[in-house]
Amino acid sequence: AQRVTQPEKLLSVFKGAPVELKCNYSYSGSPELFWYVQYSRQRLQLLLRHISRESIKGFTADLNKGETSFHLKKPFAQEEDSAMYYCALSGGASGTYKYIFGTGTRLKVLA
Amino acid sequence: NAGVTQTPKFQVLKTGQSMTLQCAQDMNHNSMYWYRQDPGMGLRLIYYSASEGTTDKGEVPNGYNVSRLNKREFSLRLESAAPSQTSVYFCASSVRTPGLAGATGELFFGEGSRLTVL
Repeated sequence: AQRVTQPEKLLSVFKGAPVELKCNYSYSGSPELFWYVQYSRQRLQLLLRHISRESIKGFTADLNKGETSFHLKKPFAQEEDSAMYYCALSGGASGTYKYIFGTGTRLKVLA
Repeated sequence: NAGVTQTPKFQVLKTGQSMTLQCAQDMNHNSMYWYRQDPGMGLRLIYYSASEGTTDKGEVPNGYNVSRLNKREFSLRLESAAPSQTSVYFCASSVRTPGLAGATGELFFGEGSRLTVL
């Protein structure tokens, strides 16, 4: 079964503190993993994808196939990072077109 | 560039009424998706269309039907609305290149349609 689990509904951190948003997945095959973000009054948008292995707005995420995890990290949180974050999964080169999301984690960065 | 356009943005229905949510994209994407967003439930996939002429059930298809009218348009129909279908609905599209690593494209979302069923 294809599943994405985000255990935290809400994560509150102080400005300048490190952030880690957890994501675990279940998929038989080679999935592609993504993080999407929804800022207040804006459309859902892609933050980063595992295959790019890049840092966006200071965020990084590493795919750990052994632990089936794709946690999102940032060393120093900023107030503008406050948003709803969704981890998502889809099939890879020969996999399913289904694009499944987790339940989301709301990040609040406190001044 | 409009991207993904959904209509209507807001709708109030009575139980048992029917309605269709329209979605159109102008990015020549092959795949399109319908999601519903509920507090605490995240985004749940209702139906998707991998390419023109095909549709498949997602996680929560009951009570919904879809039509991939052409490559641009993907509509979602509620035949007999129920209060449990009160939600925010999102349409999304992406381009996918089967057979290649990194095949799954970025999802581009519409602004959402807020539906209330009384």
